[in-house]
Amino acid sequence: EVQLVESGGGLVKPGGSLRLSCAASGFTFSGYSINWVRQAPGKGLEWVSSISSTGTYIYYADSVKGRFTISRDNAKNSLYLQMNSLRAEDTAVYYCAREGRQLVLDYWGQGTLVTVSS
Amino acid sequence: SYVLTQPPSVSVAPGQTARITCGGNKIGSKSVHWYQQKPGQAPVVVVYDDSDRPSGIPERFSGSNSGNTATLTISRVDAGDEADYYCQVWDSSSDHYVFGTGTKVTVL
Repeated sequence: EVQLVESGGGLVKPGGSLRLSCAASGFTFSGYSINWVRQAPGKGLEWVSSISSTGTYIYYADSVKGRFTISRDNAKNSLYLQMNSLRAEDTAVYYCAREGRQLVLDYWGQGTLVTVSS
Repeated sequence: SYVLTQPPSVSVAPGQTARITCGGNKIGSKSVHWYQQKPGQAPVVVVYDDSDRPSGIPERFSGSNSGNTATLTISRVDAGDEADYYCQVWDSSSDHYVFGTGTKVTVL
């Protein structure tokens, strides 16, 4: 069974940093691109970042470029999101999602909540 | 940047058909995916690649895509279909995933 489990969320002050993790199991992690998608309270889905299977190709949404860094450790079946210079508007549930054929996000974790507030 | 526009809400009586549109420039040339999200839960794919269904998704869910509009159709709607629905594409010109604005389906 494919599983993605996020962790690392919490309360952080504006300007602070946080590192999210996503632990994968039930599939060959090193064979898939993985994404971060976030959802602010009461709002829609917003794609954040994507990393290819080997980490060669990395993409970011304009709203986080220069502040967030996506990375992965295929030996540990884990995905990470380093978030710096956090702003109130970064408050959201952050999901990791596997990228399947035709670039569909076919499996999602349950999400971890990040709250940026003083 | 590429924009996908959905109606904020769709209301439908039980047993009837709900149609959710997703508008985007030449979206017919892209592969469109649809997600269902119930309160407090992660999104789930209900249609991918315009019109394919993942295993376990009822045949009542179908999709189409042409021109500037993609459509998710839910036939014989029941209370369990109440949820938010999002369309999504990959925009190759910006190397970005793009989600639609989302549609809340209410079963009357």
